[in-house]
Amino acid sequence: KNEVEQSPQNLTAQEGEFITINCSYSVGISALHWLQQHPGGGIVSLFMLSSGKKKHGRLIATINIQEKHSSLHITASHPRDSAVYICAVPETSGSRLTFGEGTQLTVNP
Amino acid sequence: EAQVTQNPRYLITVTGKKLTVTCSQNMNHEYMSWYRQDPGLGLRQIYYSMNVEVTDKGDVPEGYKVSRKEKRNFPLILESPSPNQTSLYFCASSLSRRVMGPQHFGDGTRLSIL
Repeated sequence: KNEVEQSPQNLTAQEGEFITINCSYSVGISALHWLQQHPGGGIVSLFMLSSGKKKHGRLIATINIQEKHSSLHITASHPRDSAVYICAVPETSGSRLTFGEGTQLTVNP
Repeated sequence: EAQVTQNPRYLITVTGKKLTVTCSQNMNHEYMSWYRQDPGLGLRQIYYSMNVEVTDKGDVPEGYKVSRKEKRNFPLILESPSPNQTSLYFCASSLSRRVMGPQHFGDGTRLSIL
């Protein structure tokens, strides 16, 4: 079973700061998901990536398959970015996901 | 609108009283799954289904049942709920039969078992 670790667990930033959230996993995978959970509880999929980098607005996700590591970056952070960010990796069979515990991000104005 | 719909959103009930949480998706997705989320433990998979009539256990299946009689519906059944099943539950779906595509989540169901 894949072990997924996220860091940091909690992160507080000032508006405008550059944010980095890290995700490491123990077993090689072919893709990784980044999810965002809003304060109200809803979960949305941000990225699924298997190599390199993906960008959507101010969010950038990178993955290094050899080092079993992914990062989620937020540029010019804003209070509306405050949420829990969760990474998830598929089991080798591709039938199940294992989740990190999440990173609670708070961006203060 | 493409969505995953869970009902109810909130439920307070008592130990032993059978309950069903419904999940329906309108995107013709192959894969559906149920997760529970608990503080300090993150999201954990309960059951999943890669196709109609095909279901399999996740990490924490004890005390739960599911069925997939139609492609769009994937209800979660608690035959005899207990307080340790108090949690936030999410249903999710994806187009692929595997979890290699974007996951679409319902809004969540907060269950309290007294």
